[in-house]
Amino acid sequence: DIQMTQSPSSLSASVGDRVTITCRASQGIRNDLGWYQQKPGKAPKRLIYAASSLQSGVPSTFSGSGSGTEFTLTISSLQPEDFATYFCLQHNSYPLTFGQGTKVEIK
Amino acid sequence: EVQLVESGGNLVQPGGSLRVSCVVSGFIFSNQYMDWVRQAPGKGLEWIGRIRNKVNSYTTEYAASVKGRFTISRDDAKNSLYLQMNSLKTEDTAVYYCARLGGWIGATDAFDVWGQGTMVTVSS
Repeated sequence: DIQMTQSPSSLSASVGDRVTITCRASQGIRNDLGWYQQKPGKAPKRLIYAASSLQSGVPSTFSGSGSGTEFTLTISSLQPEDFATYFCLQHNSYPLTFGQGTKVEIK
Repeated sequence: EVQLVESGGNLVQPGGSLRVSCVVSGFIFSNQYMDWVRQAPGKGLEWIGRIRNKVNSYTTEYAASVKGRFTISRDDAKNSLYLQMNSLKTEDTAVYYCARLGGWIGATDAFDVWGQGTMVTVSS
């Protein structure tokens, strides 16, 4: 199985801050990775697909990069509605696996 | 409007069985691969399994944690997805989401949608 190691597990930031979240795959997954945002009591919503493509309707303050084993989600200027938990998901091989999640909290 | 609506979540005793359902609308269900994902209270997301479409013989994939106990099926005529859960354990307690996860078509597969989830509690 491919392990997805996500870091940090949580972070505190202020509105306007730049935030970076990382996922490392235990083996190469090309760009078969998505990033999701989840708010309490809600289903996850995908922000980024194919590692760096922005989902329709998602603000351009979100961006993704990486390929192979190292991937990054960047929020260039944190907005109040961005405080949430973020997960990566690899779909390169079965079983599909998620990162452990990063909770972004208000500083 | 795309909608995925799960139902059937309940309280069940350890060792018991339960079937949860998901009714889909707003896209061509029969063409899609469909997934189940769960989330234990206060925990992260866990992919449970996938069922392919008719063209791919409705074959399935499962996570090791549920293989042999859970079965995914579908009824394309009813736009419905099912998860049959047997030999339930307390650690199966979670919100269960049905989803059409993007990516199985290829790198340009941007379509990714989830239901609102249904709660399954396994407890005596």
